[in-house]
Amino acid sequence: EGQLVESGGGLVEPGRSLKLSCAASGFTFSNYVMDWVRQAPKKGLEWVASISTGGGNTYYPDSVKGRFTISRDNAKSTLYLQMNSLRSEDTATYYCAVIPDYWGQGVMVTVSS
Amino acid sequence: DVQMTQSPSNLAASPGESVSINCKASKSISKYLAWYQQKPGKANKLLIYSGSTLQSGTPSRFSGSGSGTDFTLTIRNLEPEDFGLYYCQQHNEYPPTFGSGTKLEIK
Repeated sequence: EGQLVESGGGLVEPGRSLKLSCAASGFTFSNYVMDWVRQAPKKGLEWVASISTGGGNTYYPDSVKGRFTISRDNAKSTLYLQMNSLRSEDTATYYCAVIPDYWGQGVMVTVSS
Repeated sequence: DVQMTQSPSNLAASPGESVSINCKASKSISKYLAWYQQKPGKANKLLIYSGSTLQSGTPSRFSGSGSGTDFTLTIRNLEPEDFGLYYCQQHNEYPPTFGSGTKLEIK
């Protein structure tokens, strides 16, 4: 069964950057579209980014477009999310996912001064 | 984007009872609706996909129905471990969109 483990979260000041990683195992990573989904405290789930199997196509909602970059290393079975110009409203638990099949446990990102 | 409207927001029931959670899409998503259970500190657990297909390991007391725009998750004979948060999500098109969640509590 597929497993996803996120890392790289933490406390960061507004305007700064953070990079999340997601290590995948138990399935053929390179065969799957990968996603990042976030959940602000006490709020619902919000899709953040998607990347095609080869990495050539990426998609974002307007809320993060131009600030976040999703990437992947198929040789390492690892997904990344580079987050720049962070805002307080980016505070959330970030999940790596193979929608709908596999989800990680999530990593908390807090943007605060 | 497809908007997903989930109801009710909160639900209270006793072990052994049955409950239903509804999800309505803003346009047809064919059969492509997933249901998840969310518990603190754990990965979201996929229960049902494609509207009615039970994910491996999902107990048979869970069932999903519907197609087009209207879907229902039914849990029969509630067990203590069933209490928590439930979300629906359409996986018919990108971007994936989610319902607002239903908190199932013990009465």
